Amino acid sequence: ILNVEQSPQSLHVQEGDSTNFTCSFPSSNFYALHWYRWETAKSPEALFVMTLNGDEKKKGRISATLNTKEGYSYLYIKGSQPEDSATYLCAFIGGSNYKLTFGKGTLLTVNP
Amino acid sequence: DSGVTQTPKHLITATGQRVTLRCSPRSGDLSVYWYQQSLDQGLQFLIQYYNGEERAKGNILERFSAQQFPDLHSELNLSSLELGDSALYFCASSVDGSADTQYFGPGTRLTVL
Repeated sequence: ILNVEQSPQSLHVQEGDSTNFTCSFPSSNFYALHWYRWETAKSPEALFVMTLNGDEKKKGRISATLNTKEGYSYLYIKGSQPEDSATYLCAFIGGSNYKLTFGKGTLLTVNP
Repeated sequence: DSGVTQTPKHLITATGQRVTLRCSPRSGDLSVYWYQQSLDQGLQFLIQYYNGEERAKGNILERFSAQQFPDLHSELNLSSLELGDSALYFCASSVDGSADTQYFGPGTRLTVL
């Protein structure tokens, strides 16, 4: 059973704060890591697909880094806004079987 | 709007019944995935199809089956339903079914009474 852990489970920040959270995954047999943003009552929306050790991806105020050797990825949000409030999910693909194993997510609440 | 459509949006049925959930992928996407989200669990991968063929299988129960048709839409069939099958079922699609970005549909909320 693959273990994909996300921390913290939830996070409350003030508008304008920068924040980050972690996704840990097995370091062996890495194929890809996905990040998704999931707003309440909507469906998950893809943020990043990361495949190479040392990868850094950026989309507006959100960025992510990847360390496949030690099995972790960080997601950063700079200058959080209330509309960033959502659950952020990471999903790991090990080997070439293309099955995504999701973490339970980090619930971010940004207070105005 | 991701371009992935799912019907119905809500489904209420009784234990022991059988239901079919339908998914149409984004135009041009060849791969379809099915996920289940129960109250106490995260997103659980059920099954993936690529261009009509099963490509990967997750924790899908034997009472559940799926297929992808020549027009690339997919159906998930759930039979002998139990209370514990109540969940949100998502379909996602991607272009080539490898590790590429998946686009999620709005989901079907199944309630088994």
